[in-house]
Amino acid sequence: NAGVTQTPKFQVLKTGQSMTLQCAQDMNHEYMSWYRQDPGMGLRLIHYSVGAGITDQGEVPNGYNVSRSTTEDFPLRLLSAAPSQTSVYFCASRHTTLAGGSYEQYFGPGTRLTVT
Amino acid sequence: ILNVEQSPQSLHVQEGDSTNFTCSFPSSNFYALHWYRWETAKSPEALFVMTLNGDEKKKGRISATLNTKEGYSYLYIKGSQPEDSATYLCAFLTDSWGKLQFGAGTQVVVTP
Repeated sequence: NAGVTQTPKFQVLKTGQSMTLQCAQDMNHEYMSWYRQDPGMGLRLIHYSVGAGITDQGEVPNGYNVSRSTTEDFPLRLLSAAPSQTSVYFCASRHTTLAGGSYEQYFGPGTRLTVT
Repeated sequence: ILNVEQSPQSLHVQEGDSTNFTCSFPSSNFYALHWYRWETAKSPEALFVMTLNGDEKKKGRISATLNTKEGYSYLYIKGSQPEDSATYLCAFLTDSWGKLQFGAGTQVVVTP
């Protein structure tokens, strides 16, 4: 299993540009989520999904869109990048039923995004 | 937003010493409590998932206990080693389909 994969690892954008951060998992996890990590702020939830076709907002959703067309993929779109979106972004996934396995959450390696 | 608090925010430990720190969470609507280990420049990795009051979990020199009635969990590190240096996060779950609510973490620095 590759686990949770994210691309790209690093990205520099100019203010106003748009881009998509990719996330994929091969563990058949129902639940997927996106977090951002900023100094002194811990992990903050951006968006999450409990299954294909179902998404919902987390704590800091403004400026981001998500979709979940398949169980495996959960891309995060930045609509018009702003310097305040400079951060490290983590994708994560887990099961939602014990029949699927443990509830522990698996994190991707992260994407370091800089917006100038 | 549920209030998950971790204390202390950071601690420095001498190599070989044992230490412990706390995660506090709401005692109502409990479903599970997670512990994660997060090394600098890496991703968080799960240590334990605890679901029952009185649960005790152990992985090597690290162990955790859970008290759901009073809303706290302790993480213990026995005989700390420099490789134990990391931020330890706890996260609270109210149901299997819900959002994991993370605490801010306890940063542990083990000095030789």
